[in-house]
Amino acid sequence: DSGVTQTPKHLITATGQRVTLRCSPRSGDLSVYWYQQSLDQGLQFLIQYYNGEERAKGNILERFSAQQFPDLHSELNLSSLELGDSALYFCASSDQGAPDTQYFGPGTRLTVL
Amino acid sequence: DAKTTQPNSMESNEEEPVHLPCNHSTISGTDYIHWYRQLPSQGPEYVIHGLTSNVNNRMASLAIAEDRKSSTLILHRATLRDAAVYYCILNSGYALNFGKGTSLLVTP
Repeated sequence: DSGVTQTPKHLITATGQRVTLRCSPRSGDLSVYWYQQSLDQGLQFLIQYYNGEERAKGNILERFSAQQFPDLHSELNLSSLELGDSALYFCASSDQGAPDTQYFGPGTRLTVL
Repeated sequence: DAKTTQPNSMESNEEEPVHLPCNHSTISGTDYIHWYRQLPSQGPEYVIHGLTSNVNNRMASLAIAEDRKSSTLILHRATLRDAAVYYCILNSGYALNFGKGTSLLVTP
């Protein structure tokens, strides 16, 4: 158990819909990362937040957005969903030490029908 | 980002040592070498990291070449539970750039 929790575990929705994925980091970790894992693209970094502020952006679509709240939990919002958005979404947290070791949650499996 | 090259797959017998190689010829001076693994149906899991010197922890050992252009993750006694995809990642910033990794099969 990494100490990172993600909800829900599974999510099934239809094209065009909007969903929110939630992540609670390990106690004391200020940084949260979101990654997407699909069969064809592998594990890809989406976005990072540090203590409520966006720190880095990766291959995140404009239809996707994220935020980190004062209690440090984070939400990833996916809108106008397409079939190709079906994937595993992982959240990771770290204490931003150097080097940065990240601890991953169990993931949310999103299926878009 | 500096790139890493790993074999697509490797096979090992249970209770034998496993040496997982990684080439990173364009590594820069500030890149740490990280290894993560992903067991089936789970999120990635940190294994070990190093900068210049060899490192040991309870999970594995990391041997780093003197010129830092390659490294080897060593599992001293493979178990069935070690069957996973192992990723070698160069990290000089914060976001991890996962490649395809090495899929390790452990046979009884």
